[in-house]
Amino acid sequence: KQEVTQIPAALSVPEGENLVLNCSFTDSAIYNLQWFRQDPGKGLTSLLLIQSSQREQTSGRLNASLDKSSGRSTLYIAASQPGDSATYLCAVTMNRDDKIIFGKGTRLHILP
Amino acid sequence: GAVVSQHPSWVICKSGTSVKIECRSLDFQATTMFWYRQFPKQSLMLMATSNEGSKATYEQGVEKDKFLINHASLTLSTLTVTSAHPEDSSFYICSARKVGGGTEAFFGQGTRLTVV
Repeated sequence: KQEVTQIPAALSVPEGENLVLNCSFTDSAIYNLQWFRQDPGKGLTSLLLIQSSQREQTSGRLNASLDKSSGRSTLYIAASQPGDSATYLCAVTMNRDDKIIFGKGTRLHILP
Repeated sequence: GAVVSQHPSWVICKSGTSVKIECRSLDFQATTMFWYRQFPKQSLMLMATSNEGSKATYEQGVEKDKFLINHASLTLSTLTVTSAHPEDSSFYICSARKVGGGTEAFFGQGTRLTVV
């Protein structure tokens, strides 16, 4: 059974710092991996999707890497801003038409 | 774009009544829609997967007679919480995948259900 773990569960950093969020999964035979952002009481916003054949994806100040063989992914946020404060969720899909399995998320707080 | 709209965004109902939540894909057709629930500070737990025109597939432990899912068209799925009880109070989120659009999922803004 696939399990997705995110470390740390919570993180507070001063504005301007670069930071890394970690995600690990137990079954490396994933189809793809997706990073989401969730603001309190809101739905999810897709940030980056990495196919199993890819190593990384970039969007603006965000960079997500995937090491499928070791079951790890990282989300790198450069030059953090207070507006980046949110919960970041990592999720994997095992097959093309399969469900998405979520981690518990990392609650990020950027200090002004 | 790929916009998924949920309605209502929040609802308060009395114990024993039923509540319907709608999930619409506004600018694309969705082969598959998923329903999740999320308790405070917890991750999203999949409740069921629905495909247009067929019965929903429920996850283990989810009562299909209590959480009725209808996916009548390629742009609309509904979740009805029947005979709601306070323990059903939660945040319900739907997501949808595009027809022929791969596995990227697009999420609605969620519905906060409070049963009193």
